[in-house]
Amino acid sequence: GDSVTQMEGPVTLSEEAFLTINCTYTATGYPSLFWYVQYPGEGLQLLLKATKADDKGSNKGFEATYRKETTSFHLEKGSVQVSDSAVYFCALSEAPNTDKLIFGTGTRLQVFP
Amino acid sequence: DTGVSQDPRHKITKRGQNVTFRCDPISEHNRLYWYRQTLGQGPEFLTYFQNEAQLEKSRLLSDRFSAERPKGSFSTLEIQRTEQGDSAMYLCASSLDRGLAAPYEQYFGPGTRLTVT
Repeated sequence: GDSVTQMEGPVTLSEEAFLTINCTYTATGYPSLFWYVQYPGEGLQLLLKATKADDKGSNKGFEATYRKETTSFHLEKGSVQVSDSAVYFCALSEAPNTDKLIFGTGTRLQVFP
Repeated sequence: DTGVSQDPRHKITKRGQNVTFRCDPISEHNRLYWYRQTLGQGPEFLTYFQNEAQLEKSRLLSDRFSAERPKGSFSTLEIQRTEQGDSAMYLCASSLDRGLAAPYEQYFGPGTRLTVT
């Protein structure tokens, strides 16, 4: 079945460092790919998405490119801030066949000043 | 605009008891989803509705779990004869299907944390 694999955390960085969180997927079709973020004490929020190969999703300085050849959707940010500290989840959806999301296990990011 | 709300936020119950959770989606949203999240894991899909119709149900969902959305607005998730393994955060999400192709952005609620003792 479909699955998502994320790098284990926590990822600990100093402010202004470069961030990469790896995500790879297994899917039978051509999924849409997502990054969700969960800030402390808050619900899951969509951070960015890409619906086809070579699409780049971006939001709040974060970006990820849908790489079909490597089945990857790595999250990057050039300069992290303390406020980016959160848990990041990679997810896929085999839309339009199904609208359910399949999530990875999440990666905790801790940014120190 | 209020977001997705869930009630209760926390529930402690004894093994063998039944529990029911409620989810109120964003008012104009016609799709509603339930997920379960255990500690250190990502959310796991349980079921989803389009209006009052249950479109998909996870094979992992045992017969002890049932979800309803009787009028296409709020939804309830009931767990009968709870077991310790049911302890988890139960998340609800909603989205708006405007008739265009999926995927639709899912907006998540804060969750109901269930502890079975």
